Amino acid sequence: EVVLTQSPDFQSVTPKGTVTITCRASQSIGSDLHWYQHKPGQSPRLVIKFAFQSISGVPSRFSGSGSGTVFTLTIKSLEAGDAATYYCHQSRSLPYSFGQGTKLEIK
Amino acid sequence: QVQLVQSGAEVKRPGASVQVSCKASGYTFIDYDINWVRQVPGRGLEWMGWMNPKSGNTGYAQKFQGRVAMTRYTSISTAYLEFESLRSEDTAVYYCTRRGDYGDFRPWGQGTLVTVSS
Repeated sequence: EVVLTQSPDFQSVTPKGTVTITCRASQSIGSDLHWYQHKPGQSPRLVIKFAFQSISGVPSRFSGSGSGTVFTLTIKSLEAGDAATYYCHQSRSLPYSFGQGTKLEIK
Repeated sequence: QVQLVQSGAEVKRPGASVQVSCKASGYTFIDYDINWVRQVPGRGLEWMGWMNPKSGNTGYAQKFQGRVAMTRYTSISTAYLEFESLRSEDTAVYYCTRRGDYGDFRPWGQGTLVTVSS
């Protein structure tokens, strides 16, 4: 079973700043790692797939990198609307799993 | 556009069962697996299991085995989550989501709140 560990658990950043969230897998998962943005009262929204591939409709300020066991999600030029909890998710092997989440605050 | 629409909120007594539906539109239902994910209040996203709508094959997270069943009715492009022996700790928002070609989950249903309370 693949365990995903995100860091940090919480991050507070000023508008126009940059944040990097890390997701570490307990074993190699290639590039089968995806990132979601989840706001209260809404459904999760895919922001990066396959570690680094962009998603139509998601601002180019969102980027992903990594492979194997260490992955990062970077959000540049932060806006108030980016405040959310971000989750990584692996689809390499069953059972699929999510990281514990990183809550991003825009102060 | 590709869309998943779930059934409405439910309130159940402990020990009862619940069925949540997930109606797909905008694509060929049998071509993509449906997965179910839940979020207990104050907690993160938790993967529950998957279903292949074409074959009916399923796979469940170990913690839900024996209490959950994922089924479908292909003629109406609808997937179902059936959950029995509900406990208060099963109070959560339940989401269905489609597994894409890269294993990503998109789109997601709007979520169904299931409240288990005596």
